[in-house]
Amino acid sequence: GENVEQHPSTLSVQEGDSAVIKCTYSDSASNYFPWYKQELGKRPQLIIDIRSNVGEKKDQRIAVTLNKTAKHFSLHITETQPEDSAVYFCAASDTGGFKTIFGAGTRLFVKA
Amino acid sequence: EAGVVQSPRYKIIEKKQPVAFWCNPISGHNTLYWYRQNLGQGPELLIRYENEEAVDDSQLPKDRFSAERLKGVDSTLKIQPAELGDSAVYLCASSARDSYTEAFFGQGTRLTVV
Repeated sequence: GENVEQHPSTLSVQEGDSAVIKCTYSDSASNYFPWYKQELGKRPQLIIDIRSNVGEKKDQRIAVTLNKTAKHFSLHITETQPEDSAVYFCAASDTGGFKTIFGAGTRLFVKA
Repeated sequence: EAGVVQSPRYKIIEKKQPVAFWCNPISGHNTLYWYRQNLGQGPELLIRYENEEAVDDSQLPKDRFSAERLKGVDSTLKIQPAELGDSAVYLCASSARDSYTEAFFGQGTRLTVV
């Protein structure tokens, strides 16, 4: 079946360093790629998303890149801060969100 | 504007007992999802509604799980009877009908089956 693989499962960085989380997807129909942040005991919340007609998108310290040919997309967080510590999920979705598949998540620790 | 509301937040039941979860989506959102999230895992879709119609329930264990979305607004997810392996967080999400659309999640119901 269709799936989304996410790596690494755990990532520990020093405050101020960059963090990169990578995902690959298998469904060629996927054309919308949201990233969610989930803090402990809280709901997943969208932090950034990218559509298939765009190769890169940036929002302050967060950026996402997409390589449709390779079916890869990545989340980049620069100048990490302790409050960035959370679990991050990538997802791949077809138009309209009819089929949204989540990755297993990356637990990010930012050490002060 | 209120977000997606779920209740209860926590539920502890004995195995073989029934349990029900309730979700009130964001007003105007046609699409409603129920996800199950096991510890350390990403959310897994159980069922998706477009208005009152279940359009994707392929991952719903139909022998014990059921769901309904009467009038295309609130939704209820039921498990009967519950098994130990059903312990998880059950997340409800909703989204507007659009080409590329964000799903807004509720706080979830943490179910513990003992």
